[in-house]
Amino acid sequence: AQSVTQPDIHITVSEGASLELRCNYSYGATPYLFWYVQSPGQGLQLLLKYFSGDTLVQGIKGFEAEFKRSQSSFNLRKPSVHWSDAAEYFCAVGSSNTDKLIFGTGTRLQVFP
Amino acid sequence: DAGVTQSPTHLIKTRGQQVTLRCSPKSGHDTVSWYQQALGQGPQFIFQYYEEEERQRGNFPDRFSGHQFPNYSSELNVNALLLGDSALYLCASSSPGQGNYGYTFGSGTRLTVV
Repeated sequence: AQSVTQPDIHITVSEGASLELRCNYSYGATPYLFWYVQSPGQGLQLLLKYFSGDTLVQGIKGFEAEFKRSQSSFNLRKPSVHWSDAAEYFCAVGSSNTDKLIFGTGTRLQVFP
Repeated sequence: DAGVTQSPTHLIKTRGQQVTLRCSPKSGHDTVSWYQQALGQGPQFIFQYYEEEERQRGNFPDRFSGHQFPNYSSELNVNALLLGDSALYLCASSSPGQGNYGYTFGSGTRLTVV
């Protein structure tokens, strides 16, 4: 079955600390992988995406993610978190065969000053 | 350049009623997809419209239906509302050939069924 797992429901970090949000997927076809961010009351904003090629992808706001096929993972990282990064983060998977995205349940990030 | 516009932003309906949500895609986009995001969950794909026809559908009952107009705007209709239909409904548009990697999401319509 196609699915996305985000094991961490809630993460709290101090401002300036590094961050890693985990994402594991199960998908039959060659996956397209995405990270979105959602601020309260807002829609989804794309942080970055992976289709092929270099397995380390750079996104907006200083985020990056690494695709590891052997581990079926696509973890999101940021070296130094800012208070404005507090939000809900969603990992999603799709493919070239469909426009449908399958989302994980999200990780809520809280940042302390 | 306006992004994806959804209306209304919030609404409250009574169980059993019908509701219509509206979406105007980003300029240059011709495909509209709808997602349901229940509280504490990730978005779930409802369906996608392209060239005024439903092109793909997720695992939602027939109570959920939609329409796309010649100007690419779209409506989502839900009949016989259930309490479990309470959610944030997100519209996403994409441009020709971009598919899921070109999505632009709107801010959503928060539907509360009482």
